[in-house]
Amino acid sequence: NAGVMQNPRHLVRRRGQEARLRCSPMKGHSHVYWYRQLPEEGLKFMVYLQKENIIDESGMPKERFSAEFPKEGPSILRIQQVVRGDSAAYFCASSSSLTGSYNEQFFGPGTRLTVL
Amino acid sequence: EDKVVQSPLSLVVHEGDTVTLNCSYEVTNFRSLLWYKQEKKAPTFLFMLTSSGIEKKSGRLSSILDKKELFSILNITATQTGDSAVYLCAVANYGQNFVFGPGTRLSVLP
Repeated sequence: NAGVMQNPRHLVRRRGQEARLRCSPMKGHSHVYWYRQLPEEGLKFMVYLQKENIIDESGMPKERFSAEFPKEGPSILRIQQVVRGDSAAYFCASSSSLTGSYNEQFFGPGTRLTVL
Repeated sequence: EDKVVQSPLSLVVHEGDTVTLNCSYEVTNFRSLLWYKQEKKAPTFLFMLTSSGIEKKSGRLSSILDKKELFSILNITATQTGDSAVYLCAVANYGQNFVFGPGTRLSVLP
């Protein structure tokens, strides 16, 4: 049973380009969470999605960032017009909780975004 | 392949008990080990450890790293119901790649 998968593992973009990060949750999981980890800091919650719905995007910057979790396919975190400050590790986690509990999340390996 | 193992995976104690959570790892180019507490939303950062044998302490929580034996422990003394959470261990290497363990679910009963 494959765990949470993220790709690419490493992504390099120049300022102004777009970055697309993908997350395939564990089989049977319908809840996806995106986190950002800046160097030397803790994880920062960004967004919580269920299939076709954004449940909580309180941690997502209002501009340039968007997330989706379509009925079919992986969840996508999209960053438009990237800036150097977007360089970080982006983690996806998934859970199967029907109550929307944030516990029991299984983390993917992360995508390391570097903006030149 | 880099790996982080935590034990136990779940633990039930009563208020006032002391608990020890374990984290062992195999990581290339180890840089640091981090502990998080996850309750409702995002994991809350607890400690970052980089040097062996130096205990980090915050209130009733403390943690220490053994880089020779490749493990860390997180101690919680005089547990309270508010300590109930999932405790995550993560290891970072010099490429800033993080690997998370599966977590230990701690339940503290009144």
